[in-house]
Amino acid sequence: EDQVTQSPEALRLQEGESSSLNCSYTVSGLRGLFWYRQDPGKGPEFLFTLYSAGEEKEKERLKATLTKKESFLHITAPKPEDSATYLCAVQAVVDGQNFVFGPGTRLSVLP
Amino acid sequence: KAGVTQTPRYLIKTRGQQVTLSCSPISGHRSVSWYQQTPGQGLQFLFEYFSETQRNKGNFPGRFSGRQFSNSRSEMNVSTLELGDSALYLCASSRFYRASGSGNTIYFGEGSWLTVV
Repeated sequence: EDQVTQSPEALRLQEGESSSLNCSYTVSGLRGLFWYRQDPGKGPEFLFTLYSAGEEKEKERLKATLTKKESFLHITAPKPEDSATYLCAVQAVVDGQNFVFGPGTRLSVLP
Repeated sequence: KAGVTQTPRYLIKTRGQQVTLSCSPISGHRSVSWYQQTPGQGLQFLFEYFSETQRNKGNFPGRFSGRQFSNSRSEMNVSTLELGDSALYLCASSRFYRASGSGNTIYFGEGSWLTVV
């Protein structure tokens, strides 16, 4: 069964304090790994898609990387507006119909 | 370019009633999927529609149903509402049927907040 876990569950950073969020997955063949950002009361906002181990994508202060078993979302010099829940999801080759979402990491960036 | 539009944004229903939620996908997107999000269970897949046909269904009871129209707009219906159905219901759209391509990204709407009292 495809599974996605995320750590930590919650993370509190000072403004400018860089850190990483982890997404570990177990799938029978990865079709794609997706990162989303979700603000309270809103729908998830698409950030990145990663397809194969070694791939990296960047957007402003965020950088996503992928290995065969996990993905990292690196946040460099975060600002308070980066506070949100970050979700990762996987789409498997065998069960490609569904996205399996992780529980998310709740990030708070304090000024 | 307009995003995924969901209506209504908020609603309150009584146990035993039924509810219909609406979703308009991004222009050109033909696949629509529905998710339920609760604090305890996270994001859970309900079902996906493509070309007016249900392609996949998650592990939800038959009280949850949906349909898709020829213009790709979709509705989901929950009958005989229970307190546990209180959740944020999210609609997502993608250009293609998600199993058809590599990493077919889905884009979410703002969701419909359902409270059952």
